[in-house]
Amino acid sequence: GAGVSQSPRYKVAKRGQDVALRCDPISGHVSLFWYQQALGQGPEFLTYFQNEAQLDKSGLPSDRFFAERPEGSVSTLKIQRTQQEDSAVYLCASSLVGLAPFFGPGTRLTVL
Amino acid sequence: DAKTTQPPSMDCAEGRAANLPCNHSTISGNEYVYWYRQIHSQGPQYIIHGLKNNETNEMASLIITEDRKSSTLILPHATLRDTAVYYCIVRPLWGNEKLTFGTGTRLTIIP
Repeated sequence: GAGVSQSPRYKVAKRGQDVALRCDPISGHVSLFWYQQALGQGPEFLTYFQNEAQLDKSGLPSDRFFAERPEGSVSTLKIQRTQQEDSAVYLCASSLVGLAPFFGPGTRLTVL
Repeated sequence: DAKTTQPPSMDCAEGRAANLPCNHSTISGNEYVYWYRQIHSQGPQYIIHGLKNNETNEMASLIITEDRKSSTLILPHATLRDTAVYYCIVRPLWGNEKLTFGTGTRLTIIP
């Protein structure tokens, strides 16, 4: 596709459920980023991959959050035992190394 | 923490130039200034970036002061579709590529 795609676009989970959010980056983009955006706030960095290597995971808020990119393309952000404070929009971005990242539309997660 | 300071909100009349300021007084020599915007319910959109020279593209112009401690994003002829939150971000040339967003400027274009 022409841009970064994310699925699902909307996810409702009951507290305690596990969720998996998918990101399809632009073809050929080596770098991939995940961000969390709470309502009314700017995006907060979660983690960063170059190909399949996770180079920075300093923004993951707890060990319930896990991201992977096993083949250096599609990435999945997994949240275990979801809590209400996990409700947010999760944004994925991709880029060629050193160039401006392009963002997807985001997945809006609501935890009830 | 974000290394930039922006006014929380601004208004601009439709058809006029919108000038959005950003302070980045602690910027280092190996850091670029990037601008993104986020229209309601969409992902952030890349606008422009620069190191020390002024830059222009089809969307906007970026003016960086000689000491590089501040910059201004200029939208030359604002339209209603330019209503968005605008983020000024400092990013290193090499190393960790993450973007660190602040709170941005909410720009409202007035008809």
